[in-house]
Amino acid sequence: EPEVTQTPSHQVTQMGQEVILRCVPISNHLYFYWYRQILGQKVEFLVSFYNNEISEKSEIFDDQFSVERPDGSNFTLKIRSTKLEDSAMYFCASRPGRMNTEAFFGQGTRLTVV
Amino acid sequence: DAKTTQPTSMDCAEGRAANLPCNHSTISGNEYVYWYRQIHSQGPQYIIHGLKNNETNEMASLIITEDRKSSTLILPHATLRDTAVYYCIAEGNQGGKLIFGQGTELSVKP
Repeated sequence: EPEVTQTPSHQVTQMGQEVILRCVPISNHLYFYWYRQILGQKVEFLVSFYNNEISEKSEIFDDQFSVERPDGSNFTLKIRSTKLEDSAMYFCASRPGRMNTEAFFGQGTRLTVV
Repeated sequence: DAKTTQPTSMDCAEGRAANLPCNHSTISGNEYVYWYRQIHSQGPQYIIHGLKNNETNEMASLIITEDRKSSTLILPHATLRDTAVYYCIAEGNQGGKLIFGQGTELSVKP
């Protein structure tokens, strides 16, 4: 079965450092997403991406965040200057269409900011 | 997207059917009802979705009331591996994002 893969599975970084979380969506999918989940809290939408541009973003997705699809296969989330409160699980998802289709989620990257 | 309401937690005996309810009284005509689950801190896993007809797949059945204001996810023979948080999501015409609530924590007990 096709799957969304995320790397690394766990990243530890110092406050103020930049991190890049990587995702390989399913190859024929057109819509891509990042979500995050702070420990013990619900899954929160960050950003959606379609046709090489952001289609929607949440209030969480401020100027320190950016997304990119650099080479047609990878989908990355960059956090420019990490804060302690950025510690969370980050999930990438992809789906073939905008509605009435299954979204596939990766297994997540656990980001720990120290 | 319509708001959904689910019980915080439920228990189910292993081998029995688990019936998870969801209220979505403000759902509009073009909003699909999706069910996902999350086991521990793994990525959410798709279970099933529907618009107005009942749906069944290898994992579960989805029963949507005729007025579409509520639905029930049925796991016909729950196993210990079905212990997870189950999310009911009403998805509308908003770019395909899924908005997760708190979900129902289902505990399947031997």
